[in-house]
Amino acid sequence: EAAVTQSPRSKVAVTGGKVTLSCHQTNNHDYMYWYRQDTGHGLRLIHYSYVADSTEKGDIPDGYKASRPSQENFSLILELASLSQTAVYFCASSADNYAEQFFGPGTRLTVL
Amino acid sequence: AQSVTQPDARVTVSEGASLQLRCKYSYSGTPYLFWYVQYPRQGLQLLLKYYSGDPVVQGVNGFEAEFSKSNSSFHLRKASVHWSDSAVYFCALSRGSALGRLHFGAGTQLIVIP
Repeated sequence: EAAVTQSPRSKVAVTGGKVTLSCHQTNNHDYMYWYRQDTGHGLRLIHYSYVADSTEKGDIPDGYKASRPSQENFSLILELASLSQTAVYFCASSADNYAEQFFGPGTRLTVL
Repeated sequence: AQSVTQPDARVTVSEGASLQLRCKYSYSGTPYLFWYVQYPRQGLQLLLKYYSGDPVVQGVNGFEAEFSKSNSSFHLRKASVHWSDSAVYFCALSRGSALGRLHFGAGTQLIVIP
């Protein structure tokens, strides 16, 4: 079964530290996305990619970088983690820009 | 600009009762609309989608939604809920022309009382 996996599932980081969240998909999809979810809010798009070695800014890219080294892998990087980046992060993939997005289980990040 | 509003943060219903979860959107063009469900500690799963055609679309597990252009709405319905339907439901909109960018509502938590 096609799947999107994320690692780690949860992480505690210190303010100012570097955090890398990883996403791997076996869907053979070209499009991948990173969202954050804050309590009581919907998902907001941080970065996305439609081809390996290329990333695009979403709606809230400030404080985040993304890396797409291969079709299967998409990472989200917080160079200097801040308290405001405490949230649940979801990765998703889709075959194209009109297709259903398949989501991973999420990573709960707590920045102290 | 586009936006999605889910006016009910939480809905509580008894098992076997009917259900409607409301979704209003703001977008001047023709939207692509989705309903996703999130079970505890899991990612989002697609329930149904609307691109065009028949305004009533069927989804998984007995869910359906009706698109209304005049009301800018895409309400989710189910005739008889089960306790296992308890989850958070998200309505989302895509402009279709953008690169798969979904705009989500804040979500509605559904609590089904056995």
